[in-house]
Amino acid sequence: QKEVEQNSGPLSVPEGAIASLNCTYSDRGSQSFFWYRQYSGKSPELIMFIYSNGDKEDGRFTAQLNKASQYVSLLIRDSQPSDSATYLCAANAGGTSYGKLTFGQGTILTVHP
Amino acid sequence: GAGVSQTPSNKVTEKGKYVELRCDPISGHTALYWYRQSLGQGPEFLIYFQGTGAADDSGLPNDRFFAVRPEGSVSTLKIQRTERGDSAVYLCASSLGGGARTGELFFGEGSRLTVL
Repeated sequence: QKEVEQNSGPLSVPEGAIASLNCTYSDRGSQSFFWYRQYSGKSPELIMFIYSNGDKEDGRFTAQLNKASQYVSLLIRDSQPSDSATYLCAANAGGTSYGKLTFGQGTILTVHP
Repeated sequence: GAGVSQTPSNKVTEKGKYVELRCDPISGHTALYWYRQSLGQGPEFLIYFQGTGAADDSGLPNDRFFAVRPEGSVSTLKIQRTERGDSAVYLCASSLGGGARTGELFFGEGSRLTVL
């Protein structure tokens, strides 16, 4: 069973702080990794993807990938209350070139004013 | 339409009944996916369509589940002889095509199925 593991949290940070979300995966064939955000009662929406080792920055978000350690992370700088949501880490299934993703169970993030 | 549309948004049925869930993807998106999300869990892959054909149905849990996309646009997920364990939110997603390097799936709001 190929898995993606996340700490379910909840993770609570004060407004303006850095939130750090972590994820590990077991499928060494996975090449692409994704962070989706899901507000309560809503559908997931993609916020970041990464497929090369290292860091990728987009605004307040930075994704980090270490394929040797099979580790993916998401940093959210200057956290805002509107960032409060469940963050889902996902990896594409090894050997596929389409959106067959394995999701973690999600980390609940709460940013308090 | 502007986004992925799913109907019904909520469906309550009795154990043993037949259910159909419909998905209308974003216009022009050739790839369509069904995922299932249980409470407190991430979405779980069920099936992938490229055009009219089911290119990967490896996630369908058993032969009670079936999906079609006859004209390459709207898709219907069909569940026969529903069981209480089928209760979940069924998410449909579409994308422009293959290419998991982008892997940007646009999800609908889901159909919440409750089997009593």
